[in-house]
Amino acid sequence: GQNIDQPTEMTATEGAIVQINCTYQTSGFNGLFWYQQHAGEAPTFLSYNVLDGLEEKGRFSSFLSRSKGYSYLLLKELQMKDSASYLCAVTDSNYQLIWGAGTKLIIKP
Amino acid sequence: IAGITQAPTSQILAAGRRMTLRCTQDMRHNAMYWYRQDLGLGLRLIHYSNTAGTTGKGEVPDGYSVSRANTDDFPLTLASAVPSQTSVYFCATSGTGRFYEQYFGPGTRLTVT
Repeated sequence: GQNIDQPTEMTATEGAIVQINCTYQTSGFNGLFWYQQHAGEAPTFLSYNVLDGLEEKGRFSSFLSRSKGYSYLLLKELQMKDSASYLCAVTDSNYQLIWGAGTKLIIKP
Repeated sequence: IAGITQAPTSQILAAGRRMTLRCTQDMRHNAMYWYRQDLGLGLRLIHYSNTAGTTGKGEVPDGYSVSRANTDDFPLTLASAVPSQTSVYFCATSGTGRFYEQYFGPGTRLTVT
């Protein structure tokens, strides 16, 4: 079966750095997405990786290792507004998105 | 209209009733999707449409039907609602982005009693 694993919840301090991990086992791979979802709102696109390595976009970076079936989202200089759920999703061989359950990130002052 | 709209925002529905959730986009995206999101389970695909006139089944299609008569509209119908269909429903589109990322509507919170 297809499976995506992420930690259920993480806590970090304002101004710090946090890394959210995602491991996947899917039938084929055509890219990995990270989305942010604030409570009561819709998910919004953060990043996309299809090749191994690090993609940086401001305070957020995303890393992919296809051989290990592993990705992480790195958030730097954490702000209170970063409190949200972070969803990892993989595009499989049929170009369907398989979603992880999401990681709830709690930022403390 | 700007982006993706969904209606209603929320609804309480008696079991056994028929209900249609509406989704309209003005982004001219070819592909549209219906997801349900339940606590701890993440997003699960119900039905999708790669282009107007075609539809396909996702991971959890039972009890739901869709149609795609044109590019803009993708309604989701619950023929006879059951309590297990209590969830938040998101409509999404994808099309012209560099990565074909999906864009989500604001969601419909449905409670079946």
